Amino acid sequence: QQQVKQSPQSLIVQKGGISIINCAYENTAFDYFPWYQQFPGKGPALLIAIRPDVSEKKEGRFTISFNKSAKQFSLHIMDSQPGDSATYFCAASFIFGNEKLTFGTGTRLTIIP
Amino acid sequence: ETGVTQTPRHLVMGMTNKKSLKCEQHLGHNAMYWYKQSAKKPLELMFVYNFKEQTENNSVPSRFSPECPNSSHLFLHLHTLQPEDSALYLCASSQAEQSFSNSPLHFGNGTRLTVT
Repeated sequence: QQQVKQSPQSLIVQKGGISIINCAYENTAFDYFPWYQQFPGKGPALLIAIRPDVSEKKEGRFTISFNKSAKQFSLHIMDSQPGDSATYFCAASFIFGNEKLTFGTGTRLTIIP
Repeated sequence: ETGVTQTPRHLVMGMTNKKSLKCEQHLGHNAMYWYKQSAKKPLELMFVYNFKEQTENNSVPSRFSPECPNSSHLFLHLHTLQPEDSALYLCASSQAEQSFSNSPLHFGNGTRLTVT
């Protein structure tokens, strides 16, 4: 019930292309869905987050799409750049309680020139 | 110094050693966390401290012992570890209030632990 499933495990995209990472969750009580970005040798950092009352949130080249009925959400990176190469983690939680944040297994994204 | 600082960056220890990991946050947050990161696994929450009080212990073996002397400092004391404890240990902090929208976690860069 607490699991968040993330795919793919790794992804290679050409520069300028669209990177798409998918996540699915089981617990319908989750109501906060952040994405974290982690560069090698660094800790994860919050990239973008969404609440289930909207179906999409966009910040620059990064967009979260959310499908409440399917219990799925995805990260789209438009015009992908080599600097976007990193590991991306989706997560799910309740609005009150970071201690209940459940992470996916991560996607290693590589953007090739 | 800003953000969340972890020391040491790398640690190699034998199974009979005792060592400690240190975390310091300069963000004025009042919640601190220890996470374990292993390859191809989700980040595993180990411990949570809110206002210096431990509020979460995620069934962590007693060979890991946390300490939070104040809201800016967090330690993880290690003793008689096993090789499977080798991983990246991440410290994080956030602002914990009674009623807020999720305050993001701010992570340190981690301590890479190798148990031989």
